Amino acid sequence: AQKVTQAQTEISVVEKEDVTLDCVYETRDTTYYLFWYKQPPSGELVFLIRRNSFDEQNEISGRYSWNFQKSTSSFNFTITASQVVDSAVYFCALSGNNAGNMLTFGGGTRLMVKP
Amino acid sequence: DSGVTQTPKHLITATGQRVTLRCSPRSGDLSVYWYQQSLDQGLQFLIQYYNGEERAKGNILERFSAQQFPDLHSELNLSSLELGDSALYFCASSGGDRAYNEQFFGPGTRLTVL
Repeated sequence: AQKVTQAQTEISVVEKEDVTLDCVYETRDTTYYLFWYKQPPSGELVFLIRRNSFDEQNEISGRYSWNFQKSTSSFNFTITASQVVDSAVYFCALSGNNAGNMLTFGGGTRLMVKP
Repeated sequence: DSGVTQTPKHLITATGQRVTLRCSPRSGDLSVYWYQQSLDQGLQFLIQYYNGEERAKGNILERFSAQQFPDLHSELNLSSLELGDSALYFCASSGGDRAYNEQFFGPGTRLTVL
């Protein structure tokens, strides 16, 4: 069975602070894929990134960066110089070749960025 | 805008009733997934269709059913509704049926059962 844990249910920061959202996963698949989605107050789910289990290179996209560490089964997400528009619920998700390609989501982290 | 459309946006109904939620995938996408988001259960996978055929089932109740039509749009039917069925129902689509395919989500249908 697959499991995704986002231990931080809520984080509050002041604008321009850096913030890291933690994600820990469990899977028996040898090949799997990790995702981050953003759910702003409007409610839709916005795809942010996919990471393959065989590629441990970290990725940076503007103010966003992702740190994938297979040894600790973690896929953490850092927002640098946070902005009020970053306020949202962020979900980490997992899919695997053997467990089916449906997404298993973590419980989400609500990020509040205050001006 | 993900390109996935869902109707209606909001639905209010009574216990015991039946409703149909509709989803149109992104142009060219063959896979459609249905997810339920509720306060107590979080985001849960319900069912997947690929090119008209059921591919995977998750925690979908027997009172719920879905289908994908030849034009690739999908419908989720919820019957004998209970208060606990109140939730946000998302449809997602992807180009293929592989674990690495990114899933793009529609805006959701918020179902309220009174």
